[in-house]
Amino acid sequence: QKEVEQDPGPLSVPEGAIVSLNCTYSNSAFQYFMWYRQYSRKGPELLMYTYSSGNKEDGRFTAQVDKSSKYISLFIRDSQPSDSATYLCAMSESARQLTFGSGTQLTVLP
Amino acid sequence: NAGVTQTPKFRILKIGQSMTLQCAQDMNHNYMYWYRQDPGMGLKLIYYSVGAGITDKGEVPNGYNVSRSTTEDFPLRLELAAPSQTSVYFCASSYFGTGTDTQYFGPGTRLTVL
Repeated sequence: QKEVEQDPGPLSVPEGAIVSLNCTYSNSAFQYFMWYRQYSRKGPELLMYTYSSGNKEDGRFTAQVDKSSKYISLFIRDSQPSDSATYLCAMSESARQLTFGSGTQLTVLP
Repeated sequence: NAGVTQTPKFRILKIGQSMTLQCAQDMNHNYMYWYRQDPGMGLKLIYYSVGAGITDKGEVPNGYNVSRSTTEDFPLRLELAAPSQTSVYFCASSYFGTGTDTQYFGPGTRLTVL
């Protein structure tokens, strides 16, 4: 069993849709949770960062962490074609050595 | 600031050849990392460094070597290249102090071993 599981997609939605991206994990020691966005042929860039359980909102993006269920989510509201990218969840015990999910490829259609 | 830079962008190697992937950062970060990303897979940590002169193995270190003689540079050496090392290699850096310890990634090096 992988330490971090992420639905690879691909996921295709119309512009304006609400997108839900999810990861599950098995290591109960994880306490730092991140979402990275990776455009084609580019390096990942940090999108959201959450420590421990709870919600965090930044503009159209909301990250949720449920440590009791070992489940994290990223919601994108009013999705735009510019949101088309691969989204990688990442988590760690110490915020230094990250364990990544395999990534979900998202396409937002105009 | 240029951030994290990597050279070369692309490289094709023959089996058994060796090469060095270069990585530099100008953000005065103390931590640096090397990852590989295979198609449809997440990033796997190869090696990391917590400061000049200090390196440690990650999840997939076999076939690679690193050194860190300065804060800015963290080259990755491939000896005796094998087809299994065909991948995209990303370097990243972060500042470990207080706060979020965000990792900043370079643009990647696409390596093909034939």
